[in-house]
Amino acid sequence: GNSVTQMEGPVTLSEEAFLTINCTYTATGYPSLFWYVQYPGEGLQLLLKATKADDKGSNKGFEATYRKETTSFHLEKGSVQVSDSAVYFCALSALSNTGNQFYFGTGTSLTVIP
Amino acid sequence: DGGITQSPKYLFRKEGQNVTLSCEQNLNHDAMYWYRQDPGQGLRLIYYSQIVNDFQKGDIAEGYSVSREKKESFPLTVTSAQKNPTAFYLCASSMNDIYSNQPQHFGDGTRLSIL
Repeated sequence: GNSVTQMEGPVTLSEEAFLTINCTYTATGYPSLFWYVQYPGEGLQLLLKATKADDKGSNKGFEATYRKETTSFHLEKGSVQVSDSAVYFCALSALSNTGNQFYFGTGTSLTVIP
Repeated sequence: DGGITQSPKYLFRKEGQNVTLSCEQNLNHDAMYWYRQDPGQGLRLIYYSQIVNDFQKGDIAEGYSVSREKKESFPLTVTSAQKNPTAFYLCASSMNDIYSNQPQHFGDGTRLSIL
C-alpha cells in the first residue's frame, strides 16, 4: 500500500540555522510527492512538488529532491527565519481505481527562535 | 481569483444537533475531499468525491454525511451520531489526471466546537 512517514517533531531552531525534515514513502507505481505548510488556524498551502525521480522541487528557499532509490523526499532550507515557524506535511499522490489518492504524513512542527 | 471557500470559519454545535459545513471551489476541479484535523495531529480523510453525484467513505466516515450535486460544491454534515465532533475541518480539491501530478488545494478550514 501507499504511505508517508515523516520526522517526528517538534523541531526548534535558531534563526539562520539549517533545516532538514525527513520524509520517506512507500508506494506502488509512480507517485508524485509534495510538501505542504500550515500556519496556525489556516489550511494547508502547497510549498513545493516533484513528479518524477530525481526532480527537485523548490520554493521560497526550501528544496526537496525525489529520491527513488531511497524512497525519500527530505525538505531542506539553508537559513530559516522566524516566519518559517509552521507545521510541515509531506504527502504523495498515486493513482488508484477510484482516481487520485493522497496520503499525508503526520506533520512536523517547526519553531524558529530569534 | 480562484480558490476554495469554506464557511463558516467558526461553528458551534449543541448536543443532538446536526450542522453543515460549506465548501465551494471555483477551480473547476473534479475531485473534492473532507479532512478532520485534531490538535497536534495529522489529517484524517472523512469523505471524498471524484465526480458529481458520486462519493466514497474515507477512513473516519461514521457520523458524517456529504452530497455532491454540483461540481463546485461539497457540503459536509456533522450528525448527532458523531460523538466527538470538536475539530478543525479542512476541505480540499484537485484536478484528476492520469499521471497523479496535480496537488490538492485547501480551504482555510472550519473550527467546530461543542457548546
